[in-house]
Amino acid sequence: DAGITQSPRHKVTETGTPVTLRCHQTENHRYMYWYRQDPGHGLRLIHYSYGVKDTDKGEVSDGYSVSRSKTEDFLLTLESATSSQTSVYFCAISDRGGGPDTQYFGPGTRLTVL
Amino acid sequence: QKEVEQNSGPLSVPEGAIASLNCTYSDRGSQSFFWYRQYSGKSPELIMFIYSNGDKEDGRFTAQLNKASQYVSLLIRDSQPSDSATYLCAVNGSSNTGKLIFGQGTTLQVKP
Repeated sequence: DAGITQSPRHKVTETGTPVTLRCHQTENHRYMYWYRQDPGHGLRLIHYSYGVKDTDKGEVSDGYSVSRSKTEDFLLTLESATSSQTSVYFCAISDRGGGPDTQYFGPGTRLTVL
Repeated sequence: QKEVEQNSGPLSVPEGAIASLNCTYSDRGSQSFFWYRQYSGKSPELIMFIYSNGDKEDGRFTAQLNKASQYVSLLIRDSQPSDSATYLCAVNGSSNTGKLIFGQGTTLQVKP
């Protein structure tokens, strides 16, 4: 299994509070991604990173920000959580080492916003 | 909006049968195609990828790609109850950013 951990694994929070989710990898992969998964919508890309301090938006980036100060860590922040951000969040990594853009997923974080 | 379409199912097959899962995509410039399996409450795990037209076999799994028809499929031979899961099709698109576009997934049920 790819060395990817996510923390916390479960979180319940109140509307309007800030929340930060962490993805940590031990594979030294350059690319990291944050997805959310909701019934009826599949996996949707929130933000991704193509290197330290290099990030870009995905298709559902509103209300989310990210930071990557080290190769191994990619943080996802909900500045002011809303009930619509209740979801399962997955981090993924990829090395894009000349082959197919295979992504490997972390175990996920289940976030509930009350 | 570039799309990847899958029938959400559930697709129900008896144990030992061949399960056929299908996926279509809209971006004709897509280069790489992936199949992930996701058990309930777990994260997606890669089954296989394909990037050349034709078939690619790995054990009981065969991926089939037809770029002219913008169609990719996954066949599971000798289906087992442990194959019961949601299967996600993903396509890399033509933007060369490494981003994948996922279908909604097909739920497969293998009945003993």
